[in-house]
Amino acid sequence: DIQMTQSPASLSVSVGETVTITCRASENIYSNLAWYQQKQGKSPQLLVYAATNLADGVPSRFSGSGSGTQYSLKINSLQSEDFGSYYCQHFWGTPWTFGGGTKLEIK
Amino acid sequence: QVQLQQSGPELVKPGASVKISCKASGYAFSSSWMNWVKQRPGQGLEWIGRIYPGDGDTNYNGKFKGKATLTADKSSSTAYMQLSSLTSVDSAVYFCARVGDYGGDYAMDYWGQGTSVTVSS
Repeated sequence: DIQMTQSPASLSVSVGETVTITCRASENIYSNLAWYQQKQGKSPQLLVYAATNLADGVPSRFSGSGSGTQYSLKINSLQSEDFGSYYCQHFWGTPWTFGGGTKLEIK
Repeated sequence: QVQLQQSGPELVKPGASVKISCKASGYAFSSSWMNWVKQRPGQGLEWIGRIYPGDGDTNYNGKFKGKATLTADKSSSTAYMQLSSLTSVDSAVYFCARVGDYGGDYAMDYWGQGTSVTVSS
């Protein structure tokens, strides 16, 4: 099974700052990676698919990058609505495992 | 518009089984993989498995083999997950999520609202 290691586990930031969350796969996943945002008590929402493509309606301050085993989600100029938890997930062979998550909190 | 409507919260006794549902609408149910995801309180997301309603093909995370059974009813566009021999570690919120096909790229683009399962005597 492919393991997804996400970092950091938590992050305390201020509105307006830029943050980067990383996800490392245990083997090459050929950009078959998605990122999700989850607010407390809500269902996850798709942000990015195929490592770099923004899902419909996702603000342009979000961007995804990476290849091979290393991937990143960058959020420019954080807004108050961006706080919550973020997860990566690979789609290169089942099981489609998730990263452990990153909790983004207001400083 | 695509919607996934899950069944309500469940309180079940240890050792029992529970079957939760996910009714889909707004897309061709038979033609997209439906997935199930577990989230324990304060924890991350775990992929349980997937089913292709068109032919009933399933794939499971090895961790959940023998625990979860996925089925689908094309006539009612409803996916089901049965969880058996429940213990406290099965207490969690369970989500169904559709996999969208973006020109060969996959992502879980629509999610149900989640079903809370509490295992308690």
